[in-house]
Amino acid sequence: DGGITQSPKYLFRKEGQNVTLSCEQNLNHDAMYWYRQDPGQGLRLIYYSQIVNDFQKGDIAEGYSVSREKKESFPLTVTSAQKNPTAFYLCASITTGWGNTEAFFGQGTRLTVV
Amino acid sequence: DQQVKQNSPSLSVQEGRISILNCDYTNSMFDYFLWYKKYPAEGPTFLISISSIKDKNEDGRFTVFLNKSAKHLSLHIVPSQPGDSAVYFCAADGAKNLSGIWDNTNAGKSTFGDGTTLTVKP
Repeated sequence: DGGITQSPKYLFRKEGQNVTLSCEQNLNHDAMYWYRQDPGQGLRLIYYSQIVNDFQKGDIAEGYSVSREKKESFPLTVTSAQKNPTAFYLCASITTGWGNTEAFFGQGTRLTVV
Repeated sequence: DQQVKQNSPSLSVQEGRISILNCDYTNSMFDYFLWYKKYPAEGPTFLISISSIKDKNEDGRFTVFLNKSAKHLSLHIVPSQPGDSAVYFCAADGAKNLSGIWDNTNAGKSTFGDGTTLTVKP
């Protein structure tokens, strides 16, 4: 079965540490996205990548970094510069064709700073 | 089994008319609903939301209606503009577990529909 796999499901980080969230897809999709969701709010776009070796900042990129060295993988690093990293992180892949759109989302990673 | 469904993959309307995008859900534990908009080559961005305690929320040209008994919500865009042409995603969020108790492990986890492509013709 094709899909998007995020790991880990739960992640705990000490203040001042960098952590990397994994996102892997076997859908052969070019575009991948990282979102952050806080309780009671919609998804906010952190970074996205339309093609390998290229990525763009979203609305809230500060304190985050990404890489896209291969099509299947789009890891997100939450750096110590992110002042409020505790949130739910969602990775996505979306394809849009003529009148046909498919959205695939990972199961998410809940990051907690301790 | 898909819990959030957008049964119309595409919709075409004339500029100035109303656009109505529909969404159905099956899980009665959902208590917060959201709409996202996506332009080609960009990530989806949040548009408007509604809590299950309301049946209508309005923001400028965008209004979302919620019918809990029918498990149905809709997004109205009035008047439609060519710049509204995009893919619209419906999403549902449920932070209550099967016992109806708030569960923080579910908070902030949305279930998305597949999207509807809206084309507004000048």
